[in-house]
Amino acid sequence: DTEVTQTPKHLVMGMTNKKSLKCEQHMGHRAMYWYKQKAKKPPELMFVYSYEKLSINESVPSRFSPECPNSSLLNLHLHALQPEDSALYLCASSQEGGGVYGYTFGSGTRLTVV
Amino acid sequence: KQEVTQIPAALSVPEGENLVLNCSFTDSAIYNLQWFRQDPGKGLTSLLLIQSSQREQTSGRLNASLDKSSGRSTLYIAASQPGDSATYLCAGIFSGGYNKLIFGAGTRLAVHP
Repeated sequence: DTEVTQTPKHLVMGMTNKKSLKCEQHMGHRAMYWYKQKAKKPPELMFVYSYEKLSINESVPSRFSPECPNSSLLNLHLHALQPEDSALYLCASSQEGGGVYGYTFGSGTRLTVV
Repeated sequence: KQEVTQIPAALSVPEGENLVLNCSFTDSAIYNLQWFRQDPGKGLTSLLLIQSSQREQTSGRLNASLDKSSGRSTLYIAASQPGDSATYLCAGIFSGGYNKLIFGAGTRLAVHP
């Protein structure tokens, strides 16, 4: 299995809702990432997990809460989001430091906050 | 601050042309550089990865080179096809940012029949 699977593909949520994005990989990668991408912009790093521990938080607002239950799963819990948080959320995984195969990205979750 | 820059921002070419996309970076201490393709509203597809010890990688009609001393990478696409139309992103991992992939802004490519 050489894929990163993200669910759901699309999500519409109100500003008072709580929802979660899920990401799964079975490539044995020990680093997993959340990126946010706005239209016509490159992906922006949000969080990095290394060996299931949070290693990088790019000053992301607390309404985004990451979780890494095990080495194959990564969640992003969403609460009290704002309309400007609407974006494509991408999950990625890699060996440490990118390794010999680089990063593998999922197909993303298109989030709309209303 | 480590930065990645891509030129041009957009490119429109007729089918069949050979073309070069450019990527430059400010830090020569690069671990690896990766080229991605992104179709509208979709995720990123990895095209080529060049590690710091390598100078180029090839896959089909694609060839990517890396010159650390000049801080440049190029993606060469031979015999372009309409199906190559997409945004192409380069991204690097640099010394001191072990798990931090830094992206360029991308080149939007349109190949018309």
